[in-house]
Amino acid sequence: KAGVTQTPRYLIKTRGQQVTLSCSPISGHRSVSWYQQTPGQGLQFLFEYFSETQRNKGNFPGRFSGRQFSNSRSEMNVSTLELGDSALYLCASSSAGGRDEQYFGPGTRLTVT
Amino acid sequence: AQKITQTQPGMFVQEKEAVTLDCTYDTSDQSYGLFWYKQPSSGEMIFLIYQGSYDEQNATEGRYSLNFQKARKSANLVISASQLGDSAMYFCAMRPENAGGTSYGKLTFGQGTILTVHP
Repeated sequence: KAGVTQTPRYLIKTRGQQVTLSCSPISGHRSVSWYQQTPGQGLQFLFEYFSETQRNKGNFPGRFSGRQFSNSRSEMNVSTLELGDSALYLCASSSAGGRDEQYFGPGTRLTVT
Repeated sequence: AQKITQTQPGMFVQEKEAVTLDCTYDTSDQSYGLFWYKQPSSGEMIFLIYQGSYDEQNATEGRYSLNFQKARKSANLVISASQLGDSAMYFCAMRPENAGGTSYGKLTFGQGTILTVHP
């Protein structure tokens, strides 16, 4: 079974630009969650999508948004990039019916200059 | 709200020895899941082990075991027979689960513990 995939793996953007990151979950998994990892703040939950609906949201500004498609693939978008948005963005998928699984992708490392 | 505390910023262990990584948690949820993940320098989060709050037995996965003490709100990870490849950052995490066993994707993470295995 293929794992969680994220594209692109690395990205360099300029302040003020916007960016879209993509995540393809493990086949059969309907829940996709996004996390931001920075040295200062650690791992922070951004949002979770389940069956194309946002089910949970973390404490991030409205510049951070996401969506999920009917095939469970998810995208997250960050508009008006700030230097502080430089981070590793991780996506995780789970079946959401089982209690034990949440598998992560390799992450997208975003650098904002 | 959920909170995870990992009090050991760094730990050192000799190869082939056992090591315990500490994790305490706080939550008002009646049902929850506890996880440990390993993050090597490559950045990928690798799932190690899971413990449900209503599971009576401690979880084990190969060389990993989770010492779950619900009354003390602790979920320590024990790695037996350490290997050089175990050197990495280790995160303890938790998420809420409803009584029916359905999970939610919102994981709360601790700050992590860097484990270094010496030859």
